Amino acid sequence: DTEVTQTPKHLVMGMTNKKSLKCEQHMGHRAMYWYKQKAKKPPELMFVYSYEKLSINESVPSRFSPECPNSSLLNLHLHALQPEDSALYLCASSQGGQSLREQLNEQFFGPGTRLTVL
Amino acid sequence: GDSVTQMEGPVTLSEEAFLTINCTYTATGYPSLFWYVQYPGEGLQLLLKATKADDKGSNKGFEATYRKETTSFHLEKGSVQVSDSAVYFCALRINAGGTSYGKLTFGQGTILTVHP
Repeated sequence: DTEVTQTPKHLVMGMTNKKSLKCEQHMGHRAMYWYKQKAKKPPELMFVYSYEKLSINESVPSRFSPECPNSSLLNLHLHALQPEDSALYLCASSQGGQSLREQLNEQFFGPGTRLTVL
Repeated sequence: GDSVTQMEGPVTLSEEAFLTINCTYTATGYPSLFWYVQYPGEGLQLLLKATKADDKGSNKGFEATYRKETTSFHLEKGSVQVSDSAVYFCALRINAGGTSYGKLTFGQGTILTVHP
């Protein structure tokens, strides 16, 4: 299984709602990522989890709250979002590890969740 | 800091034409280089990669060679198809230690449209 899956595919929410995005991989990868992608732009890194611990937070507002319940799952909890947060949210995973070779291997991306905040 | 520069698009070609999308990079260390493709409405797919100088990555008729002397990783295909229409992202990944942790740095993306 060389796939990263994400649910839901589309999500529409109001500014007062609480919702969650889910990501799953069964490749045994130990690094997982959340990216935000606006239209016609490259993905922007939000968070990195390494061995189920938050490794990088790219100064993301607290209305986005990541969670890594286990090595296969990654969630992104959303609360009090703004319309400008509307975007494609991409999850990715990579082998991870301590060696240089492991850290430089490729990331596998999921299909994304298209989020619209009204 | 590390950066990737791609040729500006969009690029419009006829089927069976030759494709080149230029990509150059600046990096403080020794990066791995990647090309990702994003089809309409989908996530990113790894197209090819190269991990050291003079490596050639290839996949689905696409090729790119890691040129350290010119800090380039240009994407080429000899004969494009309508199904190649997509956005192409050049990216680098470098281990700079600390919190960088192999962060992917993307170029701005190049939109390719292939007409029949």
